[in-house]
Amino acid sequence: GQSLEQPSEVTAVEGAIVQINCTYQTSGFYGLSWYQQHDGGAPTFLSYNALDGLEETGRFSSFLSRSDSYGYLLLQELQMKDSASYFCAVREESNAGNMLTFGGGTRLMVKP
Amino acid sequence: DAGITQSPRHKVTETGTPVTLRCHQTENHRYMYWYRQDPGHGLRLIHYSYGVKDTDKGEVSDGYSVSRSKTEDFLLTLESATSSQTSVYFCAISGGTDANQPQHFGDGTRLSIL
Repeated sequence: GQSLEQPSEVTAVEGAIVQINCTYQTSGFYGLSWYQQHDGGAPTFLSYNALDGLEETGRFSSFLSRSDSYGYLLLQELQMKDSASYFCAVREESNAGNMLTFGGGTRLMVKP
Repeated sequence: DAGITQSPRHKVTETGTPVTLRCHQTENHRYMYWYRQDPGHGLRLIHYSYGVKDTDKGEVSDGYSVSRSKTEDFLLTLESATSSQTSVYFCAISGGTDANQPQHFGDGTRLSIL
């Protein structure tokens, strides 16, 4: 099976940088995804890492270390609209396509 | 935005009644998923489908059944609803096994069972 650990809450100020960590235990690992979810909304895809290293998409970056079973999401130049929950998810290979197991989520609060 | 429609968006019902939630997609994607989301638990997979009439159980399938008679529709049924099934239910779709094709989620159904 799979299990993922991420902090339940993080608070930061507008304009700052914040890092949300995710550690995982899995029997079969193919990659780590990150999703964003605003209150009352649907989860939306942010990034995917299959190989070690950093992937950058605008203000957001995601990092993976397969040997450490660890990844993080880095948000730069924080804006108020970044206040949301962020979920890491492990991808496992199956007949179900891109099968994901999600962590419990990190609630990010951005303050002025 | 991916063409995914969940219905109903909100439902209140009583314990012991049957409930069916519908997920409709216009993307012709092969894979469809049903999740439930509860505080502190993130998203947990209930059932998934990898083609018409091809479905399988997820992590929390007890008390739920699904059907997929055509590509665009994936139905989730609670045969006899219980209060523990009060939750927000999300449907997701995915185009394939390619990692560059992430899951896309519908807007969710908020289900309350009294």
